[in-house]
Amino acid sequence: KAGVTQTPRYLIKTRGQQVTLSCSPISGHRSVSWYQQTPGQGLQFLFEYFSETQRNKGNFPGRFSGRQFSNSRSEMNVSTLELGDSALYLCASSSGGINTGELFFGEGSRLTVL
Amino acid sequence: SQKIEQNSEALNIQEGKTATLTCNYTNYSPAYLQWYRQDPGRGPVFLLLIRENEKEKRKERLKVTFDTTLKQSLFHITASQPADSATYLCAPGDSNYQLIWGAGTKLIIKP
Repeated sequence: KAGVTQTPRYLIKTRGQQVTLSCSPISGHRSVSWYQQTPGQGLQFLFEYFSETQRNKGNFPGRFSGRQFSNSRSEMNVSTLELGDSALYLCASSSGGINTGELFFGEGSRLTVL
Repeated sequence: SQKIEQNSEALNIQEGKTATLTCNYTNYSPAYLQWYRQDPGRGPVFLLLIRENEKEKRKERLKVTFDTTLKQSLFHITASQPADSATYLCAPGDSNYQLIWGAGTKLIIKP
């Protein structure tokens, strides 16, 4: 079956702009979680959605938000972009949630903020 | 605060030898721990999950141990191959359903 799909793969924005990233999970998976990855840093957990409800949230400012649709597809939005937001944003899907085992990751969306 | 430490420097191993990667955690009592492989420009790929009541888990050439007393997990790749070269991430998980990720160890297997 198809894997996790993230769009766009690459994007360049300027400070102050906002961006929306999309994630389509594996069919049948109800959990989608988002992560920020920067060089030398581990994946930083942003939030998890399960059946359209935010179930967990990491320690990121309110500029980072997300949502999940009834078909389990998820979007994350970053408003008022800062240079430090440049990173690889990864989403992962799972059937039961981030605590139940294997996460399936997409290839990521690489955001560059100028 | 919770802290996950993996070898920050790249690990160079000769092909055919066993590679051993370390994951240490502090101020944390994870209920389970996962290991992932990440290739450059790609998303992580799940390898193994081990729970706190399991001492060891194996999958083909991979073996993971989990020592809750030492607060450490070891990840072994036996008969290593150049194709095993990648960054390996450990991710302990707690009862609050959050995974905290290590920064990863870059493994280089030399032919």
